[in-house]
Formats: sequence, structure tokens, C-alpha cells
Amino acid sequence: DQQVKQNSPSLSVQEGRISILNCDYTNSMFDYFLWYKKYPAEGPTFLISISSIKDKNEDGRFTVFLNKSAKHLSLHIVPSQPGDSAVYFCAASVDRGSTLGRLYFGRGTQLTVWP
Amino acid sequence: NAGVMQNPRHLVRRRGQEARLRCSPMKGHSHVYWYRQLPEEGLKFMVYLQKENIIDESGMPKERFSAEFPKEGPSILRIQQVVRGDSAAYFCASSQAGRASYEQYFGPGTRLTVT
Repeated sequence: DQQVKQNSPSLSVQEGRISILNCDYTNSMFDYFLWYKKYPAEGPTFLISISSIKDKNEDGRFTVFLNKSAKHLSLHIVPSQPGDSAVYFCAASVDRGSTLGRLYFGRGTQLTVWP
Repeated sequence: NAGVMQNPRHLVRRRGQEARLRCSPMKGHSHVYWYRQLPEEGLKFMVYLQKENIIDESGMPKERFSAEFPKEGPSILRIQQVVRGDSAAYFCASSQAGRASYEQYFGPGTRLTVT
């Protein structure tokens, strides 16, 4: 039962343009969302997160948007750089009222930024 | 400050053997999570442990799999009588607290191959 879905397995973007990665979720209990970046043969690295009390969070070139009514979030990277080429995982969790912290991951989107 | 350490990085086992995966959390972290990534899939939660306690093992198969996090030493994920379907990347993450809003830092993973 895939509660977090990333429907695009891959995305190719030219350097300097915007990359938009999308994620949908089905569990209305989720109230905390994260994006991780993963290079081959390495573990995932935290990128940015957002709580359900917000609809936008920004950190440098990375912005995450949350649409709770649509159960949809997106990660915007602008401008995209070749070093951004990696697999991006969307993750979700129940944070308030929970002391478990388990993350539910999507299957990932391979982003390729070409010069 | 060393990050999360996992060993071995690669492990090859024949069907029926035991696999033992080790995870040393970041200094100061007492919360450990294990996730498994099957080929072409996202990470799936297996178990959440604190020192000497299993807090949530709802993602772990009931048979052949066990995990521990002793008072001293690393956390260990043990797979008995491995089968080909156990071939995957196993990631350990550590955190300061058992809430999603406390960042989980991932290790580089152990790639288990069952022949």
C-alpha cells in the first residue's frame, strides 16, 4: 500500500532552468513532509521539510509547496545545477501527537540536469 | 563529528545463511531506524529502536528478521536463513528524538546480495 507516490520516475532539465518534482499522498494523518536527495551508493541526505501548518518553505534554491486539500506537494529547484542530478525522495510522517517518527517514502524521481 | 556508520557496506550470503548488519548512530543520538530499499522502489520502514528497547517493529517481517540496540555497541539487524528476496539495500538512520521533525541522518547503507 503506497501511501506516498511519486508518479514521475525521471525528469530531465537544462542547467539554469527550474526543476519541479511532484509528490502525492493518500493518508490524511500525515502532517510533516520531507524531501531527501540520494546519490548512488550513498544514503539519503535531508534536503528540506514542511509542516502541514504551512503551505510553503524556502531554503536557498529549494522551495517546497504543500497543497493539503489536494494531498500534493512539490519541490522546486531554481536554478538547477548539474550537481543536483540525483534521485529525489519524497517522505511523509505523522509528527504531532506521535513519538514514533517513522517515514513513509515515495519511489523516487531521478533528476538529470544537463549543461 | 562522525556521521552514521554502517558495516559491512557490501555483504554476500548464500541462501540459508545468516546476515548480520551493523549500525553505529551519530554521537548523541539514541534513536535508530532501519529501512530497506528493494530494487526500483523507495525506502520502506522496518523497525525503530531506542537503547535496549524496540519501539516499533511493525514494518519488519515476523519471521527470520530481528533487531537490537544494546546499551553498549551498535544496533544490529539480523536476518536468519536468507532468501533471494532479501537482496536489497538496508539503511540505518539515527535521530535525537522519535519525531519526524527531528532530522533522521542516514548511513551509507549495506547492500545485501543473496546468491
